[in-house]
Amino acid sequence: GENVEQHPSTLSVQEGDSAVIKCTYSDSASNYFPWYKQELGKGPQLIIDIRSNVGEKKDQRIAVTLNKTAKHFSLHITETQPEDSAVYFCAASSSSGGSYIPTFGRGTSLIVHP
Amino acid sequence: KAGVTQTPRYLIKTRGQQVTLSCSPISGHRSVSWYQQTPGQGLQFLFEYFSETQRNKGNFPGRFSGRQFSNSRSEMNVSTLELGDSALYLCASSWAPGTSGSEQFFGPGTRLTVL
Repeated sequence: GENVEQHPSTLSVQEGDSAVIKCTYSDSASNYFPWYKQELGKGPQLIIDIRSNVGEKKDQRIAVTLNKTAKHFSLHITETQPEDSAVYFCAASSSSGGSYIPTFGRGTSLIVHP
Repeated sequence: KAGVTQTPRYLIKTRGQQVTLSCSPISGHRSVSWYQQTPGQGLQFLFEYFSETQRNKGNFPGRFSGRQFSNSRSEMNVSTLELGDSALYLCASSWAPGTSGSEQFFGPGTRLTVL
């Protein structure tokens, strides 16, 4: 089955700096890659996603890049703010055969210092 | 528009008991997925329901089961509870099955503690 590795597990930055979180996946059939933000006491919230036919996607301060050949994708957050502090999860899933079973990374705890 | 609601929010059970958790999806959403989140294993997919039918199932023992009702509300059941079942159980809804990669909206979760 699919295996997703996420790094780093903890990331500490100063307000205004950029943050980059990287994930690798193993199943070449995976074609949908969402990123979630989970704040304390809440469920994960989708912040951005990318499909395998796209190499990069941007939404204001957040961007995701995908390299299908190398099987890795990354989340980029620019001009970080204290409210960006949370745990971020990447996921990979394949829709082959009509199935959608997402596999998640172990999460990155992002701490933005004011 | 109300979000995904899960009840109860917290639950304490003892080994050997069974438990039923409930999830009400966002109005109009017909797909409901369940996940288990633990510090040791992270976020793991349990199963997905669409139009009252289980579409996919993760790698969990048969003690974990679920169902979906005609109004899209879903329940999951865990029988013969084990200490390792202590976790945050998350429910997520979307308007279409996950095959389309449609956005999933998560509820706040049910924190289950097994003593």
